[in-house]
Amino acid sequence: GAVVSQHPSRVICKSGTSVKIECRSLDFQATTMFWYRQFPKKSLMLMATSNEGSKATYEQGVEKDKFLINHASLTLSTLTVTSAHPEDSSFYICSARVLGQDTEAFFGQGTRLTVV
Amino acid sequence: SQELEQSPQSLIVQEGKNLTINCTSSKTLYGLYWYKQKYGEGLIFLMMLQKGGEEKSHEKITAKLDEKKQQSSLHITASQPSHAGIYLCGADILFDTDKLIFGTGTRLQVFP
Repeated sequence: GAVVSQHPSRVICKSGTSVKIECRSLDFQATTMFWYRQFPKKSLMLMATSNEGSKATYEQGVEKDKFLINHASLTLSTLTVTSAHPEDSSFYICSARVLGQDTEAFFGQGTRLTVV
Repeated sequence: SQELEQSPQSLIVQEGKNLTINCTSSKTLYGLYWYKQKYGEGLIFLMMLQKGGEEKSHEKITAKLDEKKQQSSLHITASQPSHAGIYLCGADILFDTDKLIFGTGTRLQVFP
């Protein structure tokens, strides 16, 4: 299947700093990318949906100024956690999909963010 | 409230036993996906269902989407330790199809 690369896989940052997570589709053009957050022993919570070249659509309760999403090209989306705090520590996973819903979504391996 | 509910939340079975995980939507689905995850890792795609009544199998795992397209079941036959993990159903909701949402997850443990 198609490959989605997420980087970094782990990051530790100091409180107040910003962290950027990259999500790349390696062998296909992803018109839509999703960003999820997963708390321990919980399911994936959709944070936002982004389409290439347009602003991301954020789910209710997700601060758009806190979690900046940029989908600059058909193969790259980035999530920037701004002014990170310990409560932002979590596992973040991206997913990429080709236009239309008749195809599966391909997932990155996730990024474990720890804010100290 | 959660749009996709999974049951049970956790399951512990003995190796060789059969088991079923259910996924119920409060809305009509356009497409239903089953994924497996080992916690802290990415997701492994298992199968996708779109048509009401559709059933698919992959090795010892079978999934079915009911006629009304609001419920799916995942059945594992003769479970093995390798089946252990978190099973997630994901869905495209009809008329709200820009986003892929996930169920609450089912944690499966298989002991020898």
